Amino acid sequence: KAGVTQTPRYLIKTRGQQVTLSCSPISGHRSVSWYQQTPGQGLQFLFEYFSETQRNKGNFPGRFSGRQFSNSRSEMNVSTLELGDSALYLCASSFRTGTNTGELFFGEGSRLTVL
Amino acid sequence: ILNVEQSPQSLHVQEGDSTNFTCSFPSSNFYALHWYRWETAKSPEALFVMTLNGDEKKKGRISATLNTKEGYSYLYIKGSQPEDSATYLCAFPVYNQGGKLIFGQGTELSVKP
Repeated sequence: KAGVTQTPRYLIKTRGQQVTLSCSPISGHRSVSWYQQTPGQGLQFLFEYFSETQRNKGNFPGRFSGRQFSNSRSEMNVSTLELGDSALYLCASSFRTGTNTGELFFGEGSRLTVL
Repeated sequence: ILNVEQSPQSLHVQEGDSTNFTCSFPSSNFYALHWYRWETAKSPEALFVMTLNGDEKKKGRISATLNTKEGYSYLYIKGSQPEDSATYLCAFPVYNQGGKLIFGQGTELSVKP
């Protein structure tokens, strides 16, 4: 069974640009969530999608957005990049039923550097 | 503000030592507690999902206990090996907020041969 796949793995952007990150979940998983990891901050929840609907959003500015497609693949977009957006962005999928949160299966992450 | 705290922040042990670390979480509206292991250059991997007070789970040399009334969980590693070197994260699913998890800062374990 293929794991969670994130692309691209590494990218460098400049301030003001925008970026789109992609995540393909494990087959059969309908929940996809996104986390940001910066040094000293730990994993911070960005948002979660379930069956193409955003179920919850973390405390991030509107520049951070996402979507989920009918095949459960998800993308997240960051517009007007700032230096502080440099981070590792992790995607995770899970097999959720109802409101229960099963274990998360993480991708290897997309490391974004903003210059 | 919901907070998940882990201690210690880092731990350096010798091969063969047994070790344990703590995760503290809100005791209200509890329904699960997750433990993950995150090795360098890899993705975080689930160790345990614990749901019942008094739960004790085991995977090889690693075990975890759960006290939901007082809001803490312990992770134990018996006879640490260099391959146990990783950051261990606990995470608290927020009640009634979809799949949102609050992660602790992690405990970074280094096991020297």
